[in-house]
Amino acid sequence: GGIITQTPKFLIGQEGQKLTLKCQQNFNHDTMYWYRQDSGKGLRLIYYSITENDLQKGDLSEGYDASREKKSSFSLTVTSAQKNEMAVFLCASSPTGTEVFFGKGTRLTVV
Amino acid sequence: GDSVTQTEGLVTLTEGLPVMLNCTYQTAYSTFLFWYVQHLNEAPKLLLKSSTDNKRTEHQGFHATLHKSSSSFHLQKSSAQLSDSALYYCALSDRTNTGKLTFGDGTVLTVKP
Repeated sequence: GGIITQTPKFLIGQEGQKLTLKCQQNFNHDTMYWYRQDSGKGLRLIYYSITENDLQKGDLSEGYDASREKKSSFSLTVTSAQKNEMAVFLCASSPTGTEVFFGKGTRLTVV
Repeated sequence: GDSVTQTEGLVTLTEGLPVMLNCTYQTAYSTFLFWYVQHLNEAPKLLLKSSTDNKRTEHQGFHATLHKSSSSFHLQKSSAQLSDSALYYCALSDRTNTGKLTFGDGTVLTVKP
């Protein structure tokens, strides 16, 4: 089996700060995703990538950038953290599109 | 566009009672429906998936049947266990088969002794 590792697990930032979240997968999956999880709102897609150096915007891409420089890694940047923002960012990967595997998440708090 | 509706945000049950979590969806295309389960401080994990109309799918004591006529994919279990306490998401894949998922808002299931 494989694993998706997200770093850091907890991230505290200041308003206006640029923050980067990292994700590594050893499944050798082609497609990777970043989802945002808010309490009571389900998971919403921010960015996804179907192969190395590919980037596709999801429904929630405004305020974020992403980078897929290697097949195994996918990073997400919050371009300007919003005060009092609290959310969990979940990285995921998929080999075929019919099963998606998730990491445990990075919990972001902006003070 | 695609949408998924989970009507219950919070369900509290006594151990041993049956579980039913509702999921309805809207899509213009034939696709996969999923149930994901997320225990506290863990990653969401796939529980069930289906794309076949009127076929019961089972895993780990849970089951669901996709009914395209009513656009439903309700999750059921005959007897709740304390370890079933978790956040459950119903999700729909998009028609491009890239694994992009549309999620419902989730249902928190709490099972009490």
